[in-house]
Amino acid sequence: DAGVIQSPRHEVTEMGQEVTLRCKPISGHDYLFWYRQTMMRGLELLIYFNNNVPIDDSGMPEDRFSAKMPNASFSTLKIQPSEPRDSAVYFCASSPPYAGSYTFGSGTRLTVV
Amino acid sequence: AQSVTQPDIHITVSEGASLELRCNYSYGATPYLFWYVQSPGQGLQLLLKYFSGDTLVQGIKGFEAEFKRSQSSFNLRKPSVHWSDAAEYFCAVGAGDDKIIFGKGTRLHILP
Repeated sequence: DAGVIQSPRHEVTEMGQEVTLRCKPISGHDYLFWYRQTMMRGLELLIYFNNNVPIDDSGMPEDRFSAKMPNASFSTLKIQPSEPRDSAVYFCASSPPYAGSYTFGSGTRLTVV
Repeated sequence: AQSVTQPDIHITVSEGASLELRCNYSYGATPYLFWYVQSPGQGLQLLLKYFSGDTLVQGIKGFEAEFKRSQSSFNLRKPSVHWSDAAEYFCAVGAGDDKIIFGKGTRLHILP
């Protein structure tokens, strides 16, 4: 298995633009998690899905952020409109149920200028 | 709600020396505990996990951790570090609802 695949690896965009981050989880993993990592706040859980259904989105910072999982092999995190304070590394991770053994992707480094 | 504290932001040790990274958790019941490692520019990788049973857990890359309920701790140890161990280490706690909460991390520096 190729692991969790995230794209793009790097994204530079202007304030106000829409940004879409993509994630392909490991086949057979029921859970998918989106995290944001910054120096100031560390790793923050934004949202997670179980069998494509959003379970907990309490970490999504505001309505500008949205996430979807249309099928078991694909998820997106969208920011619209983007702001400079959204600059961070965004990680996707997947896991089998009740394992806690997350497999992380390599992340997307987002810079909003 | 569960939480994790890693009291050391940075730790520096000499190559070949022993290592202990501290982790304290807050949770009312027996937690699920994890250590992850993050190399620069990479995602996090699971080193080891504790669910139940033997309180001394062996992981990959020669790491081990010991669960001490009385101290609410889950410290990570390695008898002899290598330069390749330089990375950031995250302790995490889970409460059985399939999400885990990460600590702020400890960055490990290795002196040659």
